[in-house]
Amino acid sequence: NAGVTQTPKFRVLKTGQSMTLLCAQDMNHEYMYWYRQDPGMGLRLIHYSVGEGTTAKGEVPDGYNVSRLKKQNFLLGLESAAPSQTSVYFCASITPAEGWGEQFFGPGTRLTVL
Amino acid sequence: AQKVTQAQTEISVVEKEDVTLDCVYETRDTTYYLFWYKQPPSGELVFLIRRNSFDEQNEISGRYSWNFQKSTSSFNFTITASQVVDSAVYFCALSVYNFNKFYFGSGTKLNVKP
Repeated sequence: NAGVTQTPKFRVLKTGQSMTLLCAQDMNHEYMYWYRQDPGMGLRLIHYSVGEGTTAKGEVPDGYNVSRLKKQNFLLGLESAAPSQTSVYFCASITPAEGWGEQFFGPGTRLTVL
Repeated sequence: AQKVTQAQTEISVVEKEDVTLDCVYETRDTTYYLFWYKQPPSGELVFLIRRNSFDEQNEISGRYSWNFQKSTSSFNFTITASQVVDSAVYFCALSVYNFNKFYFGSGTKLNVKP
């Protein structure tokens, strides 16, 4: 099993450009999450999904959109990138009934917005 | 509202010293889960332990031990006889009963010097 994978690993954008980050998991997990990690601030939840076709806002959703058309994929979109969105983005997944909430994380995507 | 506080931003110790990382949480829910994750310099997030609010039993795993005290809303992590490989950022996290959202502390960077 590959676990949780994220594409791409690195990306540099110019202000105003758009992009989509892909998270894929092969563990048949129900819940998926997108976080951003900034220095000194830990991980902050952007959006999450509790099942295929459902999404919800987390702590810092502004400027981001998400979609979960397939159970195994969770996409994070930036429609018009801003320098404040420079961060490391992590995706995670769980099945609540198993493992009591232990999150499986992807390796992260380092995004720089110039 | 939920909140996790890791007041220690950075700790430096010499190898073989014991070190305790503090975590204080806030929640009004009676059912919740607490977690510790390790983020080594390579950047991935590694799950260490999970505790639910009904189980205040302390846990020891090798050189690691965890002290969960509901009376002080704390879930502290102790490394005994620290090693250079323990150098990492450690995050404490909280989720309430449905695992829809996770709340992370800002992390404690541990430097273990030889």
